Amino acid sequence: GAGVSQTPSNKVTEKGKYVELRCDPISGHTALYWYRQSLGQGPEFLIYFQGTGAADDSGLPNDRFFAVRPEGSVSTLKIQRTERGDSAVYLCASSPTGDLNYGYTFGSGTRLTVV
Amino acid sequence: AQSVAQPEDQVNVAEGNPLTVKCTYSVSGNPYLFWYVQYPNRGLQFLLKYITGDNLVKGSYGFEAEFNKSQTSFHLKKPSALVSDSALYFCAVTLSGGSYIPTFGRGTSLIVHP
Repeated sequence: GAGVSQTPSNKVTEKGKYVELRCDPISGHTALYWYRQSLGQGPEFLIYFQGTGAADDSGLPNDRFFAVRPEGSVSTLKIQRTERGDSAVYLCASSPTGDLNYGYTFGSGTRLTVV
Repeated sequence: AQSVAQPEDQVNVAEGNPLTVKCTYSVSGNPYLFWYVQYPNRGLQFLLKYITGDNLVKGSYGFEAEFNKSQTSFHLKKPSALVSDSALYFCAVTLSGGSYIPTFGRGTSLIVHP
């Protein structure tokens, strides 16, 4: 696609529920990043994929968070047993491997609200 | 470890005046530096980058930034601010030759007054 697409744009869920957030990167971009942005803060790194594999998941806050990218394109961020503190905007970005001349392209994000 | 500091939460400037949004970084090696802009309820939009070459880089919408290695800074500038420039601005750094995971600053809210 022309840009990075994230769905849904908004998600409201009850505490304790499971949610999935989807990211469709730019076609051909092998690098994919997930970030979390809380109100008044900058984006906080969660996980980085190179192709199908998670090359760096050091930003995932705990084992309730998990992400996959089974075919090296679309990625899904999964959050189990959601807590109110998980409420944030979840951003996805992609880039071609080894080419940062156009920076990282971000999606519009998914605003997750846990009530 | 790599980090970015944006020392000002908010910058106020009158339309037509020059603007500067400050950014300093810390990285153990050569940095790649970026500026992004975020409008309300929108994702981050790429403004400009420093990878290598000239220290003064020019980007979208008339913005420019100067890489200063000795001061580890990458301040964003524009000669004449527009009301439409009002937004959140984020500086980011990554390490050249590393995994290219960018670290972002907390952001600076730019408010341009008519």
